[in-house]
Amino acid sequence: DGGITQSPKYLFRKEGQNVTLSCEQNLNHDAMYWYRQDPGQGLRLIYYSQIVNDFQKGDIAEGYSVSREKKESFPLTVTSAQKNPTAFYLCASSSPNDLNEDTQYFGPGTRLTVL
Amino acid sequence: RKEVEQDPGPFNVPEGATVAFNCTYSNSASQSFFWYRQDCRKEPKLLMSVYSSGNEDGRFTAQLNRASQYISLLIRDSKLSDSATYLCVVNTRNNNDMRFGAGTRLTVKP
Repeated sequence: DGGITQSPKYLFRKEGQNVTLSCEQNLNHDAMYWYRQDPGQGLRLIYYSQIVNDFQKGDIAEGYSVSREKKESFPLTVTSAQKNPTAFYLCASSSPNDLNEDTQYFGPGTRLTVL
Repeated sequence: RKEVEQDPGPFNVPEGATVAFNCTYSNSASQSFFWYRQDCRKEPKLLMSVYSSGNEDGRFTAQLNRASQYISLLIRDSKLSDSATYLCVVNTRNNNDMRFGAGTRLTVKP
């Protein structure tokens, strides 16, 4: 089945630790995105990538890093510099070649909790 | 002022009711508009794209008013399964500038 997968579903981190969240898609989409969702707020863009080996900061990139070595994969690292990392992290993808080119499709999310 | 504003609700309605949500956006250059549905602790899923002429999909009708910068979603004959949070999403230039509302929570009761 085509889709976007994220792992793990739940992640617990101690303060001071870096953690990496996985996002994989087999939709052949060029663009991928990372958002975080906090209670009572809309999704906020962390990083995005429109093509392999290229990525750009979103609105709240501080304390995060990404890589895009393969079209299918866009992992997000939450570093110890992120002061408030507890949130629901959502990965999305889209394809400019699709009829609805700006529609984004989301993975199931990773819920990160800092202990 | 938030870029995309929605009434957070909750809207509590009986089965069979008609319910409408509004969403306002601040950037007049916005080009495309969407409604997503998000179930508790799940990812958002696309419900409808919103076209300038308005569009309907079964019990759901979306309208866009560019002059007043708002989007609406109407749900007719509400079902228990419609209970969810509805996110208004506005895209200004390209996919890098999608702006999400905080969502409106709907609970449909028997």
